[in-house]
Amino acid sequence: GDSVTQMEGPVTLSEEAFLTINCTYTATGYPSLFWYVQYPGEGLQLLLKATKADDKGSNKGFEATYRKETTSFHLEKGSVQVSDSAVYFCALSPRGYNKLIFGAGTRLAVHP
Amino acid sequence: DTAVSQTPKYLVTQMGNDKSIKCEQNLGHDTMYWYKQDSKKFLKIMFSYNNKELIINETVPNRFSPKSPDKAHLNLHINSLELGDSAVYFCASSHSTGTGVYEQYFGPGTRLTVT
Repeated sequence: GDSVTQMEGPVTLSEEAFLTINCTYTATGYPSLFWYVQYPGEGLQLLLKATKADDKGSNKGFEATYRKETTSFHLEKGSVQVSDSAVYFCALSPRGYNKLIFGAGTRLAVHP
Repeated sequence: DTAVSQTPKYLVTQMGNDKSIKCEQNLGHDTMYWYKQDSKKFLKIMFSYNNKELIINETVPNRFSPKSPDKAHLNLHINSLELGDSAVYFCASSHSTGTGVYEQYFGPGTRLTVT
């Protein structure tokens, strides 16, 4: 079945460091891909999305590119802030299906 | 101007009880969902409703019964609660655009603790 694999956390960085969180997927067809973020004690917020190969999603300095050849959707940010500390979830939506399949989540902790 | 709201935010109850969680969305979406997040933060879909009709049931025990009185509401009733039901339950909603891209908006979650 379809699945998402994320790098295990926690990821601990200093402020202004470069961030990469790896995400790979297994799916039949051409899913849509998403990154969601969950701040402590809150629900999930959509961070960015990409709906077809080579699409780049971006928001709040975060970027991810839909790579069909490597089945990947890695999340990057050039300079993290303390306020970026949260759990990040990679997810896919199989084409034509009303559901999200999530990765296990990666906790990011950014220190001053 | 809350988009997806859930009540209650916290729910503590004993094994064997029956409880309900309510969800409402004011985004005009036609599809609503329930997800379960376990203690390790893993998220898994439970149910999906489109225009008040059940379209996804991911092998959830019969003790869980969703009900959608209208497109803006999706409630979750749980009978005979068990310790393993302790989790955070998230409601979500989306359009079903027909293009296969289902961007979902999540509520704040309901933390259920069964003792």
